[in-house]
Amino acid sequence: DAGVTQSPTHLIKTRGQQVTLRCSPKSGHDTVSWYQQALGQGPQFIFQYYEEEERQRGNFPDRFSGHQFPNYSSELNVNALLLGDSALYLCASSSDFRLDNEQFFGPGTRLTVL
Amino acid sequence: SQQGEEDPQALSIQEGENATMNCSYKTSINNLQWYRQNSGRGLVHLILIRSNEREKHSGRLRVTLDTSKKSSSLLITASRAADTASYFCATPRGADGLTFGKGTHLIIQP
Repeated sequence: DAGVTQSPTHLIKTRGQQVTLRCSPKSGHDTVSWYQQALGQGPQFIFQYYEEEERQRGNFPDRFSGHQFPNYSSELNVNALLLGDSALYLCASSSDFRLDNEQFFGPGTRLTVL
Repeated sequence: SQQGEEDPQALSIQEGENATMNCSYKTSINNLQWYRQNSGRGLVHLILIRSNEREKHSGRLRVTLDTSKKSSSLLITASRAADTASYFCATPRGADGLTFGKGTHLIIQP
């Protein structure tokens, strides 16, 4: 049984560009959450998708958007990249959109903005 | 905004010793979760303790929860080199999702 997978592993972009990150949840999970983790910090919640809709959203600008597909996989899009968007982006899946159970995290995508 | 705050920020102990790290939080919770992260990669879930539980064990891990003090502790007994990692506590906060602290960086010296 495959766990949570993310692609790509690493990504280098320049300021102003746009990026799309992808996540496939653990088998049997229907809820996907995205987190941004800056160096030396804990993960910060970006948003959560359940039943193909954004259910909850953290304190992130509209440049951050997402999508969930019928097979529960998800994408995170970031437009007009800033240097401060450089971080590890983590995807987590669960079977409970209320976050009342453990979250299964993917290995992350390391985004560097130059 | 941060909900949990781990203490200490960093901890270095000898292999075989016990490691204790603490987490304080600000608002009432349904549950509190502990995660481990190796070398800036994905997080691994360790233990979830619910608000009506006071203590939980999993292998060499022991977690306590004191809702009156809004605090939790994670004890790792008989530490091993492979326990070297960052440890985070996290609580679900409705629209704010799962909220993490800054973590405790644990180093196990051989």
